[in-house]
Amino acid sequence: EPEVTQTPSHQVTQMGQEVILRCVPISNHLYFYWYRQILGQKVEFLVSFYNNEISEKSEIFDDQFSVERPDGSNFTLKIRSTKLEDSAMYFCASGGTGGMVETQYFGPGTRLLVL
Amino acid sequence: GDSVTQMEGPVTLSEEAFLTINCTYTATGYPSLFWYVQYPGEGLQLLLKATKADDKGSNKGFEATYRKETTSFHLEKGSVQVSDSAVYFCALSTAGGSYIPTFGRGTSLIVHP
Repeated sequence: EPEVTQTPSHQVTQMGQEVILRCVPISNHLYFYWYRQILGQKVEFLVSFYNNEISEKSEIFDDQFSVERPDGSNFTLKIRSTKLEDSAMYFCASGGTGGMVETQYFGPGTRLLVL
Repeated sequence: GDSVTQMEGPVTLSEEAFLTINCTYTATGYPSLFWYVQYPGEGLQLLLKATKADDKGSNKGFEATYRKETTSFHLEKGSVQVSDSAVYFCALSTAGGSYIPTFGRGTSLIVHP
């Protein structure tokens, strides 16, 4: 069964450094998402991406965040200058083979720790 | 705005006990409802879903029925196993919200042998 994959599984970085989190969505999906989950809290939507552009973003997704689909398979989240409060689990998700997407399929997550 | 309320955890049960995790929602329009499960150290996995009133989603012995009249989607399992220990998230999505799920806070389930 196809699945969403994410790399790395864990990343430790120093405050102020840039990080890039990578995702390979399910191959025939058209909609891609990033979420984060701060330890012990609910899963929060960051951004959705369709047709090579951002379709929606939350207030969390400020100028320090960016997303890109550099080729036909990868989907990346870049955090330009990490802050301590960016420490969280980041989930990629994909869904939809055409038209609206009802169900999203999540990757295993990248645990980011900012020191 | 849309919201999902789940019972607080942790829920602690003995193996083979009956499980109910309550979930209620507030939404404009007609949401689709989901349960996701997060096993320790892993990501979110879709457990089951229901897209219209009175639909019952089921998977791996878990069931939940979409109750429009009570705006609820309670998760049940007749006989839990130690391997069911995980965090369970109730979620909804709507066309008006671009099908971006709104999650509840999650309920931790601990099953003892």
